[in-house]
Amino acid sequence: DTGVSQDPRHKITKRGQNVTFRCDPISEHNRLYWYRQTLGQGPEFLTYFQNEAQLEKSRLLSDRFSAERPKGSFSTLEIQRTEQGDSAMYLCASSLQGPNTEAFFGQGTRLTVV
Amino acid sequence: GDSVTQMEGPVTLSEEAFLTINCTYTATGYPSLFWYVQYPGEGLQLLLKATKADDKGSNKGFEATYRKETTSFHLEKGSVQVSDSAVYFCAPYNQGGKLIFGQGTELSVKP
Repeated sequence: DTGVSQDPRHKITKRGQNVTFRCDPISEHNRLYWYRQTLGQGPEFLTYFQNEAQLEKSRLLSDRFSAERPKGSFSTLEIQRTEQGDSAMYLCASSLQGPNTEAFFGQGTRLTVV
Repeated sequence: GDSVTQMEGPVTLSEEAFLTINCTYTATGYPSLFWYVQYPGEGLQLLLKATKADDKGSNKGFEATYRKETTSFHLEKGSVQVSDSAVYFCAPYNQGGKLIFGQGTELSVKP
């Protein structure tokens, strides 16, 4: 297993367009997380899954954002009607269940909304 | 809600200097505590962790001790190297089942 992979690595889109990102976690990991990181800030939690169940979604997350993990393996994050404020690095991480386990992060998808 | 406060950067040190990056947190209960590091052009990776009070996590010469009474988890290294230049993030694992990150502290080590 090569770790957590995210696709695409970079995405430039026009304001108002929809975008979708994909994350492939480490295969035996049942937890999958999405974070957003802007320049000079730490990662901000968006949502997470345990297997295929979405257990929590940040209250800060607009309803333009939706995430799925249909078979408990890969996940997609969709942003509808993108805005310039959505420009950020979107990070995916996966882990085994439990508070003492390491979360492994992907390289991220950098979104630029023009 | 849960939150993390980290020492503001950037921190600039000469090689072999002593490093401290302060981290304090507010969280329900006694969370596991983590330090993650982000090297230039790379993804976040775990540096060290501590899972209960008075535990000391260590890795690559870095150390941090879980201080329950002061809700702190300060990162230290006795002698930094140029290769330690990176952004460091303190992150408790909260009861809701996720990592809460600080804003990060950029470290720049000069030869």
